[in-house]
Amino acid sequence: GENVEQHPSTLSVQEGDSAVIKCTYSDSASNYFPWYKQELGKRPQLIIDIRSNVGEKKDQRIAVTLNKTAKHFSLHITETQPEDSAVYFCAPMNSGYSTLTFGKGTMLLVSP
Amino acid sequence: GAGVSQSPRYKVAKRGQDVALRCDPISGHVSLFWYQQALGQGPEFLTYFQNEAQLDKSGLPSDRFFAERPEGSVSTLKIQRTQQEDSAVYLCASSLGQGMNTEAFFGQGTRLTVV
Repeated sequence: GENVEQHPSTLSVQEGDSAVIKCTYSDSASNYFPWYKQELGKRPQLIIDIRSNVGEKKDQRIAVTLNKTAKHFSLHITETQPEDSAVYFCAPMNSGYSTLTFGKGTMLLVSP
Repeated sequence: GAGVSQSPRYKVAKRGQDVALRCDPISGHVSLFWYQQALGQGPEFLTYFQNEAQLDKSGLPSDRFFAERPEGSVSTLKIQRTQQEDSAVYLCASSLGQGMNTEAFFGQGTRLTVV
């Protein structure tokens, strides 16, 4: 199965700073790379995803970059705001399987 | 419905008691998934249905866990003879297509506490 690691496990930034969370995976056949955001006590929600034929994808303040050779992908959040505070999970997937394997999560704290 | 609905939101069970957790997926969604999320951890896969067929149950931790989706819509996760280590949030998710290749939408979860 997929072995997924996220770094860092916690990240504290000041409002307006950038935040980067890295996810490494083991299955070289993985071809779908989503990031989920989970606020305290709430459901995980998809915030951005990328497929293996693309190296980078951006949506307003968030972006995801993929390095398939090195088997890692990263979440980038610019101009962070307090409402970005949450736990972020990566969940790389091999489409030959049917389900996502989640990392252990990164807790992002944005201080005003 | 507007989204994936789970009930109850909270459940306290005495050790040894049986529990049943319900999931109402988004109407028309083919795929349904159950995940278990322990405190401070990421969701861990339990089982996957495509319509009424349970295609993968490799994540169920023991034979005390059983899931069904008899008519291809509502699903129930049953845990028999609950143990303290079963305490967790149980998340249900559904997606329109096969597997999670299309976006998976999660419910709010059921927080199970075994005392």
